[in-house]
Amino acid sequence: DTEVTQTPKHLVMGMTNKKSLKCEQHMGHRAMYWYKQKAKKPPELMFVYSYEKLSINESVPSRFSPECPNSSLLNLHLHALQPEDSALYLCASSHGAGQAQETQYFGPGTRLLVL
Amino acid sequence: GQSLEQPSEVTAVEGAIVQINCTYQTSGFYGLSWYQQHDGGAPTFLSYNALDGLEETGRFSSFLSRSDSYGYLLLQELQMKDSASYFCAGKDGGATNKLIFGTGTLLAVQP
Repeated sequence: DTEVTQTPKHLVMGMTNKKSLKCEQHMGHRAMYWYKQKAKKPPELMFVYSYEKLSINESVPSRFSPECPNSSLLNLHLHALQPEDSALYLCASSHGAGQAQETQYFGPGTRLLVL
Repeated sequence: GQSLEQPSEVTAVEGAIVQINCTYQTSGFYGLSWYQQHDGGAPTFLSYNALDGLEETGRFSSFLSRSDSYGYLLLQELQMKDSASYFCAGKDGGATNKLIFGTGTLLAVQP
């Protein structure tokens, strides 16, 4: 199983809503990532979890709150988002061994629209 | 930190060969990867170069010259399904799990 799954596929939310994005992998990977991608732009790293601990936070606003309940699951909690936060949110995972070449496996993403 | 620059768009015809370039600036180098992303899809890993030279994987090859801080992805026998965005990516040496993506190249394959 080399699949990373993400739910939901699409999400529309108002600026006062609270919602969560979910990501799951069963490849035994110990590193998991959240990226944000705007149209026609490269993915931008938001957070990295390594062995269920937050290892990188790319100065992401606190209205985005990541959570890693276990080694297979990664959540992104959303609260009081702004319209400019509308984007494709990608989850990825990798072995986490810290090698120079470590392929990242991406999920299909959640397309988020903030009204 | 790192920055990786790519041409924004490339157009080619079916059956042709196309080269997508990537130039990078980095304070530490840990290899160059290439990812493909179809419109509306997830990025998928294509190739990785740790050392100078050419790596071949079927119709796709990737080249690296560390002395020139330059790499490219070569796609041969182009097919319509190769129409996608292509990103080079490098690791941030200061943070082992941090991957920095290039600016991306949109490849359009025409019949």
